[in-house]
Amino acid sequence: QSALTQPASVPGSPGQSITISCTGTSSDVGGHNSVSWYQQHAGKAPKLMIYEVSNRPSGVSSRFSGSKSGNTASLTISGLQADDEADYHCSSYTSSGSLVFGTGTKVTVL
Amino acid sequence: QVQLVESGGGVVQPGRSLTLSCAASGFIFSSYSMHWVRQAPGKGLEWVALISYHGSQKRYGDSVKGRFTISRDNSKNTIFLQMNSLRAEDTAVYFCARDDYSAGWKYYFDQWGQGTLVTVSS
Repeated sequence: QSALTQPASVPGSPGQSITISCTGTSSDVGGHNSVSWYQQHAGKAPKLMIYEVSNRPSGVSSRFSGSKSGNTASLTISGLQADDEADYHCSSYTSSGSLVFGTGTKVTVL
Repeated sequence: QVQLVESGGGVVQPGRSLTLSCAASGFIFSSYSMHWVRQAPGKGLEWVALISYHGSQKRYGDSVKGRFTISRDNSKNTIFLQMNSLRAEDTAVYFCARDDYSAGWKYYFDQWGQGTLVTVSS
């Protein structure tokens, strides 16, 4: 199972909106509504930000939103803040009954 | 509050074995499926294994199938990862994580430990 494809880095200025893509296949992203997104600050454990494509866990800011079109899922961060600078990882359930993560994206706040 | 604490990491030679543990507290452990996820230095996350809340269902990532075994002891609120025939490419921080869906599993993780580093090197 190949990793889902994410851009290596996405820069943004404070207050701006950015979008991170996560591209898979019809056997993972495109075939299931089981895409999740995690935020990981340097040296820390990941934190669940979005589950089942577009749902936010309680306590996660509404500035984070998720969507999916075909084989590509997206995470949008609006009103970018300094604390949003982190690595972001997508994941998807697969048709073989396993889980695949994305390659990871580093968000830099300029 | 929910806590997951991994232990057992260290330096091990290629071909040898190592067992990781993850001690849980702050929730009804026997109601939740649990996972191991790893992260090689400077790389992305990789799902390793799942064990159902009752322990009877286990699934593994392709890269560890046949070499790693996940287990749990609900009386001790602990999961384990027995790693055999270790390779250099198994070098990573290993996280345990709780599946967000009680009495089942949905492959998304609402609680994570801080991780334990495994280095496979001669």
